[in-house]
Amino acid sequence: EAKTTQPNSMESNEEEPVHLPCNHSTISGTDYIHWYRQLPSQGPEYVIHGLTSNVNNRMASLAIAEDRKSSTLILHRATLRDAAVYYCILRDVGAGGTSYGKLTFGQGTILTVHP
Amino acid sequence: DTGVSQDPRHKITKRGQNVTFRCDPISEHNRLYWYRQTLGQGPEFLTYFQNEAQLEKSRLLSDRFSAERPKGSFSTLEIQRTEQGDSAMYLCASSLRRGQGLYNEQFFGPGTRLTVL
Repeated sequence: EAKTTQPNSMESNEEEPVHLPCNHSTISGTDYIHWYRQLPSQGPEYVIHGLTSNVNNRMASLAIAEDRKSSTLILHRATLRDAAVYYCILRDVGAGGTSYGKLTFGQGTILTVHP
Repeated sequence: DTGVSQDPRHKITKRGQNVTFRCDPISEHNRLYWYRQTLGQGPEFLTYFQNEAQLEKSRLLSDRFSAERPKGSFSTLEIQRTEQGDSAMYLCASSLRRGQGLYNEQFFGPGTRLTVL
């Protein structure tokens, strides 16, 4: 199973952009890159996912390297509410294009946002 | 609130007792997952159901653990003869399996925190 590597922690100031890196050098062609985050005392929540192209949604942007061996989650303007643990997860969708069941979490990156 | 709900939110028990947790997924979500999370670690997968069928179980799910989803709606996770090592947050998630190529994000509940004394 492909693994991801993330820094243990990062810090940011409020209203500044944050770039959270993730390395996944053993990624396979059918692995989607997912990001979930876990706010204090809550269950994880979905942030964004992508396969090859960069992706944007209301929460964040996902920049994927051309060789797909790394990716970066971008929070364009960090708020205090973005303080959380951010998990980068690879998930195989298989040849049929259907995503399989479990999510395999690592330890994630603890993001601290300073006011 | 139409999110995933879990009951109880907290459970304190003595070693050797049995405990049962309940998860109510988002209505019409056909997939339901259980995870366990210990302090400072990411969640670890335990098992998942598609409708009432249990499709995968982790090696973490010892013989003392059993999960059911009898009618394809709510699910229960039972731990028999609890041990101190079972102390953790037990998270439930649900998702809607769509057609091929369509994404099914998982929605997590708030978790049940188990403390075994």
